[in-house]
Amino acid sequence: SQQGEEDPQALSIQEGENATMNCSYKTSINNLQWYRQNSGRGLVHLILIRSNEREKHSGRLRVTLDTSKKSSSLLITASRAADTASYFCATAARTGANNLFFGTGTRLTVIP
Amino acid sequence: DTGVSQDPRHKITKRGQNVTFRCDPISEHNRLYWYRQTLGQGPEFLTYFQNEAQLEKSRLLSDRFSAERPKGSFSTLEIQRTEQGDSAMYLCASNLRSIQETQYFGPGTRLLVL
Repeated sequence: SQQGEEDPQALSIQEGENATMNCSYKTSINNLQWYRQNSGRGLVHLILIRSNEREKHSGRLRVTLDTSKKSSSLLITASRAADTASYFCATAARTGANNLFFGTGTRLTVIP
Repeated sequence: DTGVSQDPRHKITKRGQNVTFRCDPISEHNRLYWYRQTLGQGPEFLTYFQNEAQLEKSRLLSDRFSAERPKGSFSTLEIQRTEQGDSAMYLCASNLRSIQETQYFGPGTRLLVL
């Protein structure tokens, strides 16, 4: 299976702290994406990092990618209560559909 | 709001009934995907359309499931003879071929089969 695994499964931090989530995947990739899902809602794309990139920033988000270890990390700096959500990494199938394979997600709770 | 809409947002049905969900993608997007998400899990791919053609189906899509995308615009997902195991969130996503790898997800339809 191409499905990734996120670690930890759940994370609880105080507002203002940084949150780090990790993702491992199994096959070679063109890119890796991170999505966020608020409880009971759809997914929102956060950031995409290509296989030839090692690090990417977007606002308070920092993503790293290590293709030799088949792993990625998402860092959210200066967390806010509104960051409370589930975070998923996703890789794309190499078939024509390019459908996404998601891990099981990290449930982040930011305590005000 | 990503611009992808789904209807209904919630559906409760009895086992054995048929249900149909609708997805309206972003208008210029020619690719449309259906995913299923059960509690505590990430979404799993069900099927994919490019314009009106259904080009891929996963093994999760049993014979009781059928999807259409007439005229390459909105899509419907029908489940016949629902089972309790069909209870899940059904998510629709869309994007534009060859340009975007990001997928834009709708809010989902949560199905509960009693």
